[in-house]
Amino acid sequence: GQQLNQSPQSMFIQEGEDVSMNCTSSSIFNTWLWYKQDPGEGPVLLIALYKAGELTSNGRLTAQFGITRKDSFLNISASIPSDVGIYFCAGDPFSGGYNKLIFGAGTRLAVHP
Amino acid sequence: NAGVTQTPKFRVLKTGQSMTLLCAQDMNHEYMYWYRQDPGMGLRLIHYSVGEGTTAKGEVPDGYNVSRLKKQNFLLGLESAAPSQTSVYFCASSLTPSSTDTQYFGPGTRLTVL
Repeated sequence: GQQLNQSPQSMFIQEGEDVSMNCTSSSIFNTWLWYKQDPGEGPVLLIALYKAGELTSNGRLTAQFGITRKDSFLNISASIPSDVGIYFCAGDPFSGGYNKLIFGAGTRLAVHP
Repeated sequence: NAGVTQTPKFRVLKTGQSMTLLCAQDMNHEYMYWYRQDPGMGLRLIHYSVGEGTTAKGEVPDGYNVSRLKKQNFLLGLESAAPSQTSVYFCASSLTPSSTDTQYFGPGTRLTVL
């Protein structure tokens, strides 16, 4: 089946640093989504991208939909301790099906005060 | 609104036992989904429903059954649990089937099959 390659798998950074993570696919996606999962909770949507080249921000978070439609990145600026969690990318593989998202394996972020 | 709730939060089963996971949403969403989350892997879709009384297979449906007798509830059943079904299970719902519409996730059920 279709897969998303998400990298890095994990990051351990100092508070205040910027963070960048990305997802790539071998096939075209028509929607890219970025979720965050806190420990013991379900994923929560952070940013949604719907057009190639689109750049969208949500506070300190910025995400972009790649021009080729096969990749997306998420940046977090000036990280704080509450940024800790697992970040997932997800995409709609342009299947025309019912919101059947494909998820990346996640990037686990740890922030050292 | 409670959003999406899941029952139970934790469960331990022996191989061969059966159980049902309950998902409930109070947002009047038509579409509901069951995912499993395994270490090092993204969420994978087990089954989904596009409305009351309907269900469909997702990416990894084997060993699971589902029912959507009421719009607000989506049940996931394991008839004969296997250790390979040890996982964290998430339910989600959305208003429409479009990927432009947010899927809201429940807090998850951690299942261990011994």
